[in-house]
Amino acid sequence: GENVEQHPSTLSVQEGDSAVIKCTYSDSASNYFPWYKQELGKRPQLIIDIRSNVGEKKDQRIAVTLNKTAKHFSLHITETQPEDSAVYFCAASNRANAGKSTFGDGTTLTVKP
Amino acid sequence: DAGVIQSPRHEVTEMGQEVTLRCKLISGHNSLFWYRQTMMRGLELLIYFNNNVPIDDSGMPEDRFSAKMPNASFSTLKIQPSEPRDSAVYFCASRPRSGGPNEQFFGPGTRLTVL
Repeated sequence: GENVEQHPSTLSVQEGDSAVIKCTYSDSASNYFPWYKQELGKRPQLIIDIRSNVGEKKDQRIAVTLNKTAKHFSLHITETQPEDSAVYFCAASNRANAGKSTFGDGTTLTVKP
Repeated sequence: DAGVIQSPRHEVTEMGQEVTLRCKLISGHNSLFWYRQTMMRGLELLIYFNNNVPIDDSGMPEDRFSAKMPNASFSTLKIQPSEPRDSAVYFCASRPRSGGPNEQFFGPGTRLTVL
């Protein structure tokens, strides 16, 4: 089955700096890669996703890149703000598998004001 | 659209008691996922259904855990008998019909405490 590894497990940055979280996956059949943000005590919510036919996607201060050959994808947050502090999860899934997603272990991001 | 609905939001019970968690899918969604989240083990997929049929229950930890989807919009996760190590936040998530987005929409979760 699919195996997703996520690094780092914790990340602390100064407000205004950039943050990068990296994930690798094992199943070359995976073709959809969402990123979820989970604030303390809340549910995971999708913030951005990328499909395997795209190398990069951007939405305001967040962007995701995908390298299918190397089987890794990354989340980039620029101009970080204190409200970006949360746990971020990457995931990999195969649309042919009823959308089952394998999640990484999460990265706790702390943005210091 | 009310989103995915879970009940109860909090449950405190004593070891040995039966616990039933409930989930209502978003209208039009046909895939349903049950997750367990703890500090130690992170977010674990327990079981998922597609069109009311269980597809993969390999994440269900023990026979004490069972899940059903009696109709297209509702699912239950039952733990019987419950144990203190079952204490966790249980999320269900639903996904639109295939052909649409792959995004999973999470419910607010049920925080279970087994004493």
